[in-house]
Amino acid sequence: DIQMTQSPSSLSASVGDRVTITCRASQGIRNDLGWYQQKPGKAPKRLIYAASSLQSGVPSRFSGSGSGTEFTLTISSLQPEDFATYYCLQHNSYPRTFGGGTKVEIK
Amino acid sequence: EVQLVESGGGLVKPGGSLRLSCAASGFTFSSYSMNWVRQAPGKGLEWVSSISSSSSYIYYADSVKGRFTISRDNAKNSLYLQMNSLRAEDTAVYYCARSQLADYWGQGTLVTVSS
Repeated sequence: DIQMTQSPSSLSASVGDRVTITCRASQGIRNDLGWYQQKPGKAPKRLIYAASSLQSGVPSRFSGSGSGTEFTLTISSLQPEDFATYYCLQHNSYPRTFGGGTKVEIK
Repeated sequence: EVQLVESGGGLVKPGGSLRLSCAASGFTFSSYSMNWVRQAPGKGLEWVSSISSSSSYIYYADSVKGRFTISRDNAKNSLYLQMNSLRAEDTAVYYCARSQLADYWGQGTLVTVSS
């Protein structure tokens, strides 16, 4: 099974800050990775697919990069509505595996 | 507009059974693989099961293998999850998600396993 190690597990940041979240795969997964945002009591929403492609309708302050085993989600200028929990998901092989999540909180 | 609506959750005793449904609309259901993903209270996301568009390929997480059965009815645009021998650790919100890339998700249905 492919393990997805996500870091940090939580972070505190201010509006306007640049935020970076990382997922590391235990083996190469090409670019078969998505990033999701989840707000309390809501379903996850996909932000990024194929590691670096922006989902339609998602603000351009979100970006993804990486390939193989190292992946990054960057929020260039954190907005109040971005405080949420973020997950990565690998869809390279079964079983599908998620990162442990990163909770982005207000500093 | 893609819509996925889960139903069938509720309170069940350990060892009991429950069948979840996911009604799909706004896209050609028969062209997409589908998934079930769950989230225990206060925890992260856990992939449960996937089924290909024609039901030819089915996959399960080890944690549910032998107890849960995924199925679909393309004529009814519906996805199902039959859950048997339920345990306390199966308590979670269960989401259905479209495609291998999990691009769209339903709002979820809560399953509580408790005596």
